[in-house]
Amino acid sequence: GENVEQHPSTLSVQEGDSAVIKCTYSDSASNYFPWYKQELGKRPQLIIDIRSNVGEKKDQRIAVTLNKTAKHFSLHITETQPEDSAVYFCAASPPFNKFYFGSGTKLNVKP
Amino acid sequence: DTAVSQTPKYLVTQMGNDKSIKCEQNLGHDTMYWYKQDSKKFLKIMFSYNNKELIINETVPNRFSPKSPDKAHLNLHINSLELGDSAVYFCASSPEFSLYEQYFGPGTRLTVT
Repeated sequence: GENVEQHPSTLSVQEGDSAVIKCTYSDSASNYFPWYKQELGKRPQLIIDIRSNVGEKKDQRIAVTLNKTAKHFSLHITETQPEDSAVYFCAASPPFNKFYFGSGTKLNVKP
Repeated sequence: DTAVSQTPKYLVTQMGNDKSIKCEQNLGHDTMYWYKQDSKKFLKIMFSYNNKELIINETVPNRFSPKSPDKAHLNLHINSLELGDSAVYFCASSPEFSLYEQYFGPGTRLTVT
């Protein structure tokens, strides 16, 4: 089955800096790659997703890039703010198969 | 927002007891899931139902039994609770299996003493 690895496990940045979280996957059939944000004590919520026919997607300060050849995708957050502090999960999903989540990255944005 | 709701929010119980967690979604989605999030925050899928049919059954003890009375509900029953069952359990739903965003419920924090 699919195997998703996520790095780093913790990331601390200064407010205003950029943050990058990277994930690799093993199943070349995976074609949907969502990113979820989970604030302390809350539910995971989708912040951005990308499908395998697209190399990059941007939504305001958040962007995701996908390299299908290398089987990795990354989340980029620019101009970080304290409210960006949370745990971020990547996931990969082969067609008609389950979601495989990464192990999570705890992002701490220091004011 | 009450798109995906779970009850109870907190559940404290003793080892050996049987307990149930209920989940309901009002989004008209076809697929529902149960996840377990342990103390290290790792999200692990347990079960998935599509139109009331079981399509994923991960390697979980058979003390865990999901039940889907209809498309909008997926309940989780746990028999003979053990200390290691302590975790946060999330229900989720999506329009179709694996192709779209999953909407998570608020979670149920289960503590087994």
